[in-house]
Amino acid sequence: KQEVTQIPAALSVPEGENLVLNCSFTDSAIYNLQWFRQDPGKGLTSLLLIQSSQREQTSGRLNASLDKSSGRSTLYIAASQPGDSATYLCAVTPKTSYDKVIFGPGTSLSVIP
Amino acid sequence: DTAVSQTPKYLVTQMGNDKSIKCEQNLGHDTMYWYKQDSKKFLKIMFSYNNKELIINETVPNRFSPKSPDKAHLNLHINSLELGDSAVYFCASSPHPPSPGETQYFGPGTRLLVL
Repeated sequence: KQEVTQIPAALSVPEGENLVLNCSFTDSAIYNLQWFRQDPGKGLTSLLLIQSSQREQTSGRLNASLDKSSGRSTLYIAASQPGDSATYLCAVTPKTSYDKVIFGPGTSLSVIP
Repeated sequence: DTAVSQTPKYLVTQMGNDKSIKCEQNLGHDTMYWYKQDSKKFLKIMFSYNNKELIINETVPNRFSPKSPDKAHLNLHINSLELGDSAVYFCASSPHPPSPGETQYFGPGTRLLVL
């Protein structure tokens, strides 16, 4: 059974710092891995999607990596800004059920001005 | 234009009542989903519908009944509401079958509070 965990559960950093969020999954048979952002009281926004054949994806100040063999992904945020404050969710789509996305518990990020 | 919309945004009701949440997507997707996010913020899939047919039904009490009148709509009806049903319910949609590079698109959520 696929399980997704994320550490840390919460993170508070001063503005301008580079930071890394971690995600682990137990079954390497995945279709893809995604990082979502959730703002309080709002829905989810897909930030980056890494297909199972890929190792990383980049968008602006965000870089996500995927190591299927070790069951790990990291989301790197460069030069953090207060507007980055949100909850970041890691999610995997199992190869055996590509309609079923399994989410981690999220990392709550606070960037202090 | 809103891609995935849900109504209502907030729902406060008494235990034992029956309520419905509506979801609509204008993306032309074939598959729609309902997720539940509990007080600990864990987001878990409840149901998945492809072109009006149920394809995923996680371990959800049968008080929850999804209904899909057409592929652009997936409503969630909840009978005999209980305190533990209080959560945020998210609707989502995606193409079917999704390619490895395609994501699901989420609605803004419906915050349900059962008193």
